[in-house]
Amino acid sequence: GQQVMQIPQYQHVQEGEDFTTYCNSSTTLSNIQWYKQRPGGHPVFLIQLVKSGEVKKQKRLTFQFGEAKKNSSLHITATQTTDVGTYFCAGPGETSGSRLTFGEGTQLTVNP
Amino acid sequence: DSGVTQTPKHLITATGQRVTLRCSPRSGDLSVYWYQQSLDQGLQFLIQYYNGEERAKGNILERFSAQQFPDLHSELNLSSLELGDSALYFCASSVLAGGFVDEQFFGPGTRLTVL
Repeated sequence: GQQVMQIPQYQHVQEGEDFTTYCNSSTTLSNIQWYKQRPGGHPVFLIQLVKSGEVKKQKRLTFQFGEAKKNSSLHITATQTTDVGTYFCAGPGETSGSRLTFGEGTQLTVNP
Repeated sequence: DSGVTQTPKHLITATGQRVTLRCSPRSGDLSVYWYQQSLDQGLQFLIQYYNGEERAKGNILERFSAQQFPDLHSELNLSSLELGDSALYFCASSVLAGGFVDEQFFGPGTRLTVL
């Protein structure tokens, strides 16, 4: 079945350093979503990418969707302690367009 | 606050027991999704309902069942509980279904502990 993989699983950075998490799907995706889950919290929607090669920015966060629509990345510039959490990518399921298959997530810790 | 409510927040029970988790979606959302998140794990999709009907099924055990009621709230029933069922159970809701993937709004979760 469809697999959505994320690397790295964990990332520790010093405050001010950049951070990138990568997401790869075993199948072509019609779109991809990113979510953030703070420690002890619930996942919160960040963004959805739809077009091949699409790049979207939200302040210090840059999201990219690959040309083949099988991979995506999230880059955070100059991390802050408020960026701590787990970042998940998610793509539509193969058999049901409205369900999501989530990656395992990248857990980011930021040392002040 | 996502607008999705889940009760109870915490649940502690014993092996072999049965529990019911409740979710109320955001006003206007017709789809409800249930996910299981074990410690430091990702989100495992269990099941989706749309406007009262089952829409998609994921890795949901036969001991688990769910339903969505006419007022659109949903319940997840877990029976014959095992230690391995201890996890966070999230409910999420979205506006649409049927091939269109829209953002999902997650509730605060129910933490289930099976002793």
